Amino acid sequence: SQKIEQNSEALNIQEGKTATLTCNYTNYSPAYLQWYRQDPGRGPVFLLLIRENEKEKRKERLKVTFDTTLKQSLFHITASQPADSATYLCALVDDTGRRALTFGSGTRLQVQP
Amino acid sequence: DAGVIQSPRHEVTEMGQEVTLRCKLISGHNSLFWYRQTMMRGLELLIYFNNNVPIDDSGMPEDRFSAKMPNASFSTLKIQPSEPRDSAVYFCASIAGPDGNQPQHFGDGTRLSIL
Repeated sequence: SQKIEQNSEALNIQEGKTATLTCNYTNYSPAYLQWYRQDPGRGPVFLLLIRENEKEKRKERLKVTFDTTLKQSLFHITASQPADSATYLCALVDDTGRRALTFGSGTRLQVQP
Repeated sequence: DAGVIQSPRHEVTEMGQEVTLRCKLISGHNSLFWYRQTMMRGLELLIYFNNNVPIDDSGMPEDRFSAKMPNASFSTLKIQPSEPRDSAVYFCASIAGPDGNQPQHFGDGTRLSIL
C-alpha cells in the first residue's frame, strides 16, 4: 500500500541549530514533492516544491533535498528560531494516479530559545 | 489579495443535524480541494473540483457527505445527517489550473464538533 511517513514524535532543538525533518514514501512515483508549514488553528502554508530531477532546493534558511532512489526528502531549517516552531507537512502527487496532493501526518518542530 | 475564506470557523451541533461548510476561492483560481484533518488520520483529501466539475470524490467517506460548486468562486460541503465521528477540522484549498502539483492555498479551516 502507499505510505508517506514523517516522524510523529516532536523534534526539539536549540535556537541557532539546524533542524532536519524527514519524509519517506513507499509505492509512489512522485514527479514533485512539496513542504508546508502549519501553525495551530491555521491552514497549511506552502513553503517549497522540489521536482524529481532536482536534488536540492533552497529558499532563504530553508533547504529541501529529494532522493528518488532512497524515496526520501529531507527538509532543513538553518539558524533555527523560536518562530520556526510549527508542524511541517510533506505532500506529493503520484504521477501515475490521482492528480491531487497526499499529505504526510507532519512533524512538530519546537525551537527552544 | 484575500486568501481562501472559510466559514464558519467553528461549528458545534448535535448529531443528526445538517451541517454546511462554506469556502470562497481565491479570485482567478479554478481548482478547489476539500480536506479533513484529525489527529488519527492526518490531512485527508475528500474531493476536488476543476472548473466547477468534481474530478475525484473517492475520499468522500459516505453518502452523508456531499459537495458542490454552484459557481466558480464558491463551494459548500454538506454533512447530513451528522455523526460524532465527523468531528474534525475541515479545510478547503485552491489553485489556479488543474495541475495538482501546484502549491495549494489553504483557508484556516472550520473546526466541527458533533455532540
